Amino acid sequence: GENVEQHPSTLSVQEGDSAVIKCTYSDSASNYFPWYKQELGKRPQLIIDIRSNVGEKKDQRIAVTLNKTAKHFSLHITETQPEDSAVYFCAASTSYNTDKLIFGTGTRLQVFP
Amino acid sequence: NAGVTQTPKFQVLKTGQSMTLQCAQDMNHNSMYWYRQDPGMGLRLIYYSASEGTTDKGEVPNGYNVSRLNKREFSLRLESAAPSQTSVYFCATRVGETEAFFGQGTRLTVV
Repeated sequence: GENVEQHPSTLSVQEGDSAVIKCTYSDSASNYFPWYKQELGKRPQLIIDIRSNVGEKKDQRIAVTLNKTAKHFSLHITETQPEDSAVYFCAASTSYNTDKLIFGTGTRLQVFP
Repeated sequence: NAGVTQTPKFQVLKTGQSMTLQCAQDMNHNSMYWYRQDPGMGLRLIYYSASEGTTDKGEVPNGYNVSRLNKREFSLRLESAAPSQTSVYFCATRVGETEAFFGQGTRLTVV
């Protein structure tokens, strides 16, 4: 079955710097890759997603890149702000014969003023 | 619209007790999921249901059972709770390969 690995587990950056979180997946049939943000005590919420027919997607200060050959995708946050501090999860799913949605282990991002 | 509603929000059980976590959605989504969240372990899939009447095991199904009662409701049952099942449980729903919407979570403590 699908396995999603996520690194790093914690990440500390200065306000204004960039942050990069990386994930790898094992199932080559996976074709949908969302990223979720979870603030303390709250539920995870989608911030950006990418499908396997696209290599990069941007939304203001956040971007996601996908390398299907390497089975690797990354989240990039530029000009970080204190309110970006949260836990970020990557995930992977495939519609082939199943509707599983498997998450990585999470990255705790701290942005210091 | 309430979205995804979980009950209860908090629960303390004694080892060996049973309980059912309820999840209901008014989003008309086909797929529903149960995850548990533990520190450093991320969101681990317990069971999921791709449509009414079907359920499948996820990554950590042992000690749990589920029922997809209808399109709206997906319940998670602990038959004999163990301290290792202390966790935060999230229900989620989605339609196809799109955004998953999460409930507010149930914090379960087994003593």
